[in-house]
Formats: sequence, C-alpha cells, structure tokens
Amino acid sequence: AQSVTQLGSHVSVSEGALVLLRCNYSSSVPPYLFWYVQYPNQGLQLLLKYTSAATLVKGINGFEAEFKKSETSFHLTKPSAHMSDAAEYFCAVYGNNRLAFGKGNQVVVIP
Amino acid sequence: DVKVTQSSRYLVKRTGEKVFLECVQDMDHENMFWYRQDPGLGLRLIYFSYDVKMKEKGDIPEGYSVSREKKERFSLILESASTNQTSMYLCASSSRMRQLFYGYTFGSGTRLTVV
Repeated sequence: AQSVTQLGSHVSVSEGALVLLRCNYSSSVPPYLFWYVQYPNQGLQLLLKYTSAATLVKGINGFEAEFKKSETSFHLTKPSAHMSDAAEYFCAVYGNNRLAFGKGNQVVVIP
Repeated sequence: DVKVTQSSRYLVKRTGEKVFLECVQDMDHENMFWYRQDPGLGLRLIYFSYDVKMKEKGDIPEGYSVSREKKERFSLILESASTNQTSMYLCASSSRMRQLFYGYTFGSGTRLTVV
C-alpha cells in the first residue's frame, strides 16, 4: 500500500529563512502526491500536487516541491518564511482509492 | 465558493451516547470521506463512500459507522461514544474523475470531546 513519511513533527524556522519540509513516499506504481496546509481552526487546503506532468511543482503562497524518483521524495520548500506560514503541513499519496496522509509538520515561524 | 460543511464546530458528549456527525457538500462530488486527526498521528481514514448507499471501511473503522442516503450528505455515527474517540473529525469530498488534479475539499472539522 502507498504511504508517506514525514519526519520531525515540529519545525522552527526564522522569518525570512528557507522552509524545508521533507516527505518520502512508498509506492509500487508512479505516485500521485500532494501537500496540504492546515491553518489554526481550519480544514486542510491544497498547496500543490504532483501528477507526473513536471517534476518541479509550484503551488500557492510561494511554495514549491520537487519530485525525485531516485530518492522517493517530494520535499516542500519556500525560499523565505513569512509569519503567515505558521501552520501544519501534510504530505499525502493517492492509492487504493483514497489519500493516505503523513503525520504532519507543525511549522513555527520565529520573528 | 464550493463548500464542505460540517454541522458542528465543537461537540461535547457523554460516554455511551450515540453521536452523529454530519457533513454536507455542494459540489456534486461522488466521493466523501471521514478522517480523524490526532496530534502526532496525522489524519487517519475512518470510512469513505463512492456513491449513495455505498461505504467502504478505512484504516480505523472500529467503533464507527456511516450513512449516505443522499449524494450531498455523509454522516459519521459513533454507536457508543468512548473517551478514546475524543478527537478532531474532518470530512472531505472529491470528484471521482478529477480528484487526482483537484484533490479533496475539506470541511473545517468537528472537535469532539467525550467525557
């Protein structure tokens, strides 16, 4: 079954610094991968997705992710963190007719 | 603006009560899902439904059931609430044909506390 792994439940980043959230996937077929963001007291919102069209995917709010098959990774980055990026981020993979989510990264932005 | 609406934002119930969590979507989506979200565990799928009156067990169905009598509504039922079901419950929906491009649309969640 397809699955994703996110390491480091809490990630602290200084305002203006690089945001890097790691996601590694396990899939027996070419994967469909997603990143979602959850702001406090809200549901999940789609940030970006990989559907095999391009390995570098750009999403909303300046985020992007690169699909690397050799590393089975789909890491999320943003060059310069903003206070409004404080949220929880989830990586997900599609398989068996559903999305399977990672455990999430809680991002704290330090002024 | 398309929406998935969960009927309650916060809910407090007593142990042993039968609890209904309601979810309604206005996007004519075929697929609907119930997840629970716990700190450190991410989102875990409880049940999902491909169509009216159809349901499939997810990864943690024990202690839950679901009902889908109309396309737009998907209900999660806790037959006899227990304290270990205290959690955030998230409903989502997706288009069968376009879900790989548009992903899922989530509701804002219901935070259930069982005392």
